[in-house]
Amino acid sequence: DTGVSQDPRHKITKRGQNVTFRCDPISEHNRLYWYRQTLGQGPEFLTYFQNEAQLEKSRLLSDRFSAERPKGSFSTLEIQRTEQGDSAMYLCASSWTGALEAFFGQGTRLTVV
Amino acid sequence: QKEVEQNSGPLSVPEGAIASLNCTYSDRGSQSFFWYRQYSGKSPELIMFIYSNGDKEDGRFTAQLNKASQYVSLLIRDSQPSDSATYLCAVNERQGGSEKLVFGKGMKLTVNP
Repeated sequence: DTGVSQDPRHKITKRGQNVTFRCDPISEHNRLYWYRQTLGQGPEFLTYFQNEAQLEKSRLLSDRFSAERPKGSFSTLEIQRTEQGDSAMYLCASSWTGALEAFFGQGTRLTVV
Repeated sequence: QKEVEQNSGPLSVPEGAIASLNCTYSDRGSQSFFWYRQYSGKSPELIMFIYSNGDKEDGRFTAQLNKASQYVSLLIRDSQPSDSATYLCAVNERQGGSEKLVFGKGMKLTVNP
């Protein structure tokens, strides 16, 4: 296990379509985070899982966004009815309880046309 | 939500010089602070974290924390062209059972050969 893995790396979709992204955290990490980053901005928090429990979802996130982490392993982030404003890099990160540092995956770059 | 402020730059230094990157944060109760490096089109990569007042050194990198002034900085000694990237400052926020990183917008550093 060499790190956090995200799939796909790039996604181009038409406006109104649904998309789903996958994140596989570092195997011993029980904490998983999703962030979104647009050009010239720092990563913006979307949601946080501890094991399989989703403990926080950003208030900025519309109801079109949903995330799951069944069995506390991999996680999926789904965006329904995509809009052009959803175009961004979607980043997954993981960490271990008691450790301060979080490690990011390579990201999924979404382009909505 | 806690706020993290970074000068957006860009910062340009000659090869071999010291690059100094600064960050301020709004919540006096913040405990943990992180510096990430992000190359263009890539995901953030953890450089260092610090949680005690004072300096923490790792190779050419030194993180400095002053909790009284709510200020954290990153010094890069003997800057190399490969250090050219955007540097993100992040603060760990804990609320209830959740936690997340809150990022600044990043500072773009260019090291000129």
